[in-house]
Amino acid sequence: SQQGEEDPQALSIQEGENATMNCSYKTSINNLQWYRQNSGRGLVHLILIRSNEREKHSGRLRVTLDTSKKSSSLLITASRAADTASYFCATDGSGAGSYQLTFGKGTKLSVIP
Amino acid sequence: SQTIHQWPATLVQPVGSPLSLECTVEGTSNPNLYWYRQAAGRGLQLLFYSVGIGQISSEVPQNLSASRPQDRQFILSSKKLLLSDSGFYLCAWSLDGTGGRGYTFGSGTRLTVV
Repeated sequence: SQQGEEDPQALSIQEGENATMNCSYKTSINNLQWYRQNSGRGLVHLILIRSNEREKHSGRLRVTLDTSKKSSSLLITASRAADTASYFCATDGSGAGSYQLTFGKGTKLSVIP
Repeated sequence: SQTIHQWPATLVQPVGSPLSLECTVEGTSNPNLYWYRQAAGRGLQLLFYSVGIGQISSEVPQNLSASRPQDRQFILSSKKLLLSDSGFYLCAWSLDGTGGRGYTFGSGTRLTVV
């Protein structure tokens, strides 16, 4: 079953604008991760935020986590055409033996040059 | 550095034929290995994961099976493919059981069952 659910399903912006994607999840987590997938390719790990962290930065990426609302957001600043891809959040369960990540359906981002 | 190889990139198979997809990891030891399937426009569904040689856990009942004959080799198989087995199959590895350092994915296999 899907744990994370991204919102919006699709987002189209102009180059240079900021892109914000949201993710909601249902159960307690150890960490939440964001991945990027170019069309027809594998996923690439972007950033991980632990359950005791509220905000994390990596280059033009900013991730926030609100465990009380069970939600996270990914902000891409000053977007570029090369940022066009699908973005997925993924969560791991906080129980023992939780080896697997559960992915949402993704947000498809289109950055128009 | 660690690398993951997955092949073939694309595959068209008739219904009822067998399947074998292979995934190998280089540059690390005793990785956790995963097979995911991605239907068009949807998220990833975990099919199998393995924490060691010969240790396979299945997440969903299905027409597929997995094996790990060597530490860094993970194979996805089927004896008889169904139309519903079509999809994009992704292999991944991690060193941390809870994915704490993220997963590294292969480039995927696009399987079309006709």
